[in-house]
Amino acid sequence: ILNVEQSPQSLHVQEGDSTNFTCSFPSSNFYALHWYRWETAKSPEALFVMTLNGDEKKKGQISATLNTKEGYSYLYIKGSQPEDSATYLCALDGGYNKLIFGAGTRLAVHP
Amino acid sequence: TAGITQAPTSQILAAGRSMTLRCTQDMRHNAMYWYRQDLGLGLRLIHYSNTAGTTGKGEVPDGYSVSRANTDDFPLTLASAVPSQTSVYFCASSETGQGVPYGYTFGSGTRLTVV
Repeated sequence: ILNVEQSPQSLHVQEGDSTNFTCSFPSSNFYALHWYRWETAKSPEALFVMTLNGDEKKKGQISATLNTKEGYSYLYIKGSQPEDSATYLCALDGGYNKLIFGAGTRLAVHP
Repeated sequence: TAGITQAPTSQILAAGRSMTLRCTQDMRHNAMYWYRQDLGLGLRLIHYSNTAGTTGKGEVPDGYSVSRANTDDFPLTLASAVPSQTSVYFCASSETGQGVPYGYTFGSGTRLTVV
C-alpha cells in the first residue's frame, strides 16, 4: 500500500505570513501528484495536478513544486489570509487513476 | 450547477441493518470513487469504477459493495452495518484520458453513524 506523508499535521500563522508544507511519497510509484484544499463543512476542491519533475504551478498566492526523483512536493502560500484557513491534502496517483491521500495539513490563519 | 449529488446528507443506522448511499454526477465523467474520512486517517478509498460496467476494490473495501450500471450513478451499499463503519463518506468523479491525469470533483459527503 502506498504511503503519502504530509507535514506538519497542523499550522497556525498570522495574517500576512507566508507558509509552506510538505508532501512526501514513494518516488518509484509516481504518476501524478494532486493538491486539494478542503474548507470546513465543504468538499475538497482540486488546486493542482502535477506530473513532471520540476513542475511548478501557481493559483493566486498559492504555488506548488514537485520533485519526483526524491519524492516530495511543497505547497507555498504567500501572504496568508484568514480565508486561506483550510486543510490542504496531497494525493498520489500511482498510475491507475486511484488517488491515495495523505492525512492533510490543517492551516489556521489568525487575523 | 454541475457536480456530484450525494444522499442522504446524514443518517443514523442500527447495527445489522443495510443501507445504500447514493451518488449521482452530471458531468459525464468516466471514473467514480467512494472514500471514507475518519479523524486522523484522511480519505481512504473504498471502491472505484473507471467506467460504466466495471468496478474495483480500494484500500478498505470490506463490508461495502458498489455497482455502476450507468455513467451517472455509483451507489455504495452496506449490507450489514457495523459501528466501525461510522464515518463521513465522500463520492468523487474524474475524467480519464490516456496519459492525462485529471483532478477529482467531490460530493458534499454523507455522515453515517452506526449505533
